[in-house]
Amino acid sequence: AQSVTQLGSHVSVSEGALVLLRCNYSSSVPPYLFWYVQYPNQGLQLLLKYTSAATLVKGINGFEAEFKKSETSFHLTKPSAHMSDAAEYFCAVSHSGGSNYKLTFGKGTLLTVNP
Amino acid sequence: DAGVIQSPRHEVTEMGQEVTLRCKPISGHDYLFWYRQTMMRGLELLIYFNNNVPIDDSGMPEDRFSAKMPNASFSTLKIQPSEPRDSAVYFCASSSRRHTQYFGPGTRLTVL
Repeated sequence: AQSVTQLGSHVSVSEGALVLLRCNYSSSVPPYLFWYVQYPNQGLQLLLKYTSAATLVKGINGFEAEFKKSETSFHLTKPSAHMSDAAEYFCAVSHSGGSNYKLTFGKGTLLTVNP
Repeated sequence: DAGVIQSPRHEVTEMGQEVTLRCKPISGHDYLFWYRQTMMRGLELLIYFNNNVPIDDSGMPEDRFSAKMPNASFSTLKIQPSEPRDSAVYFCASSSRRHTQYFGPGTRLTVL
């Protein structure tokens, strides 16, 4: 079975500060990993994904994430937070093999950006 | 591409009424997923289809919930009868064999 743990349900940063949102996964097979962002009253939008190519993945809006197999982690970072980054962020995992395309989501981390 | 389309965007109904949520996936995608999002339980997968066939409905909460996909461009999620605890945001998502799921804007359901 696969699972995702997002450490910290709420993260608050100042505008211009580093953003670090933590995600740890559990999977019995090599995983595919995703970060999605949800703005208020909207659906989920894909930020970036890891599919067994480069371990450092760059996404939209200046975000990136690094896959660390030894730590079973896929933390999301952005060097400098912008007010428009305020949203809820979800980490998700799926199996890389077979035909199982189900995504398992974490509980989400709400990012607040203070002026 | 128009993306995943869901209707209605908001639905307010009374307990005991039938509710039907609709979804049009992205053209060419052969997987369709229905999710429910609540504050208490987060994002839950209810059911998913591959080539219009239900593959896994283990997340459907009870017999009051049913989902159909009569063709590649349309799916419905029906709740009959509805109850206040069904109040949530329901998302539809679609994907091809590349794993990435694309989400619709959601339907916010309120059952009074």
